[in-house]
Amino acid sequence: QVQLVQSGADVKKPGASVKVSCKVSGYTLSDLSMHWVRQAPGKGLEWMGGFDPEDGETLYAQKFQGRVTMTEDTSTDTAYMELNNLRSEDTAVYYCAADDYGDYAFDYWGPGTLVTVSS
Amino acid sequence: SYELTQPPSVSVSPGQTASITCSGDKLGDKYACWYQQKPGQSPVLVIYQDTKRPSGIPERFSGSASGNAATLTISETQAMDEADYYCQAWDSSIAGVFGTGTKVTVL
Repeated sequence: QVQLVQSGADVKKPGASVKVSCKVSGYTLSDLSMHWVRQAPGKGLEWMGGFDPEDGETLYAQKFQGRVTMTEDTSTDTAYMELNNLRSEDTAVYYCAADDYGDYAFDYWGPGTLVTVSS
Repeated sequence: SYELTQPPSVSVSPGQTASITCSGDKLGDKYACWYQQKPGQSPVLVIYQDTKRPSGIPERFSGSASGNAATLTISETQAMDEADYYCQAWDSSIAGVFGTGTKVTVL
């Protein structure tokens, strides 16, 4: 059974960066397509980016291009999402979500990491 | 940018059928999936590739798609089905867009 374990909650000041980790167990990260989704308090789900198995590249939502970087360390089966130049509107729960068949459906979700941006 | 529109809320009586429509330009040409999210929990995939149900998801959840819409249907709705539901679509031009979300209330 695939499990995704995320790093703990974090508080950042405006302008800072945050790096959230997502460790995979029960599967090999290289056999998954990992994505990142966020949810602001009381709001809906927002796709930030993820691996597209069809072209073998990481795609980023236009809204976050230039400000987000998604990386993977296959030696530890851990995925990372780094968001720069944080602002108050980035306060949200950040989820990693995995697609195991390359069918663009997120079969497995992490528990979420709350990132609070406040001065 | 591509948008997927859902009704903000749907109310249903226990045992009745609830339907949620997700609308987007040529949505029927793309693969749609649906997620259920209960308060304080991570989303759960309930329908993928328009109509397929992951293992462990009850048969009362079904999906369809045609034209500019995808629909999630919950038959014989139970109190435990009360949750927020989000559609999502993917293709090379839009990547992974989520719908606006629908709160299902079981009265």
